[in-house]
Amino acid sequence: EAQVTQNPRYLITVTGKKLTVTCSQNMNHEYMSWYRQDPGLGLRQIYYSMNVEVTDKGDVPEGYKVSRKEKRNFPLILESPSPNQTSLYFCATRLADSYEQYFGPGTRLTVT
Amino acid sequence: AQSVTQLDSQVPVFEEAPVELRCNYSSSVSVYLFWYVQYPNQGLQLLLKYLSGSTLVESINGFEAEFNKSQTSFHLRKPSVHISDTAEYFCAVSDRNSGAGSYQLTFGKGTKLSVIP
Repeated sequence: EAQVTQNPRYLITVTGKKLTVTCSQNMNHEYMSWYRQDPGLGLRQIYYSMNVEVTDKGDVPEGYKVSRKEKRNFPLILESPSPNQTSLYFCATRLADSYEQYFGPGTRLTVT
Repeated sequence: AQSVTQLDSQVPVFEEAPVELRCNYSSSVSVYLFWYVQYPNQGLQLLLKYLSGSTLVESINGFEAEFNKSQTSFHLRKPSVHISDTAEYFCAVSDRNSGAGSYQLTFGKGTKLSVIP
């Protein structure tokens, strides 16, 4: 089954404690992206990757890091989380020549 | 740069009634337009898209949207809603000139559709 998986689905952590949210896809998609969803703000792009070892900033990259060492994985790293990073995070993927993005189920992060 | 405005943050509607969710966009270039749906506790799914051709596009579950270039709108409609349509709907736009390889989506803030039995 074609899917995008995210782990963990829920996470409560404290300010400053480094964390990683994983995203994995089994569709051989070149493009992967991270969004955060906040009430009243919709989805905002954090980082995206056009292919392995190619990443670029989205609209709200501050406080986040990413890496793309393998085609199937695109982890989101918060080196020193802060309460304003409390949000719902989505990973999305697509083929390079397609306009349809496939979204993961989301990761709800709370930073206290 | 593009921007998307969804004029209604919440839309309550009775079951079997028609609904229209409004979306307007702003862009200095030609655009592609999308509607995504997010059911409770799930990720987003593509509902329908306008890339070219007929300005009226339809989804498999009865929704339709019409691209109106002069009004820069892409409103979503359904003639008769069901309980199962309760979800949040996001309008999104991308730059037509960037090509599929490098396009980025800009999302609206979403409209929560609540279908009342």
